[in-house]
Amino acid sequence: QVHLQESGPGLVKPSETLSLTCTVSGGSISNFYWSWIRQPPGKGLEWIGYLYYIGSTDYNPSLKSRVTISLDTSKNQFSLKLRSVTAADTAVYYCARGDYNTSPTEIWGQGTLVTVSS
Amino acid sequence: EIVLTQSPGTLSLSPGERATLSCGASPSVSSIYLGWYQQKPGQAPRLLIYGASSRATGIPDRFSGRGSGTDFTLTISRLEPEDFAVYFCQQYGSSPWTFGQGTKVEIK
Repeated sequence: QVHLQESGPGLVKPSETLSLTCTVSGGSISNFYWSWIRQPPGKGLEWIGYLYYIGSTDYNPSLKSRVTISLDTSKNQFSLKLRSVTAADTAVYYCARGDYNTSPTEIWGQGTLVTVSS
Repeated sequence: EIVLTQSPGTLSLSPGERATLSCGASPSVSSIYLGWYQQKPGQAPRLLIYGASSRATGIPDRFSGRGSGTDFTLTISRLEPEDFAVYFCQQYGSSPWTFGQGTKVEIK
């Protein structure tokens, strides 16, 4: 059974770059949509963007200028980079996998809290 | 951007009762691209329904979804204690993918 696990620093300073990795176990990194979604404490869900396994990407326009999602098939991982962070980027960050046979965000990692603070 | 509006914000019910949650879309969404999620405190969302009415793997049949266009509904036929949680709808047919703000189902 496929399992997704987010990892990365829990604290990032304002104006720096937030970098997270999602490690995929129990399944291939190919053939799916690989997404990042975030949830500020006590608030709703915001889709950040996805990378489709063939290399195409799509990002939320609200974050597009600051986001990069990439895939490392050799490590069965995909990653998120969010540049120039502010306190408003404090959130639980989730990675997710899926396809359009069901939902492109069918399976989620447990999430990791990233706090932006000096 | 497609805006999803969920109602009510909070639903106070007793175990065994029926829960009906609504998700309105503006503009409309193709039903094949509408999903519902359950989220419990400290946990990731779990997919319940995709394509507006198809249950995800392992989801009990007390959960059902229906709707099309601008109006979608998630129904829990008889609430079990483990069903008290927050529920989100999501559309993934138009970029950016968007979520509703959530409906909390709480114990009355």
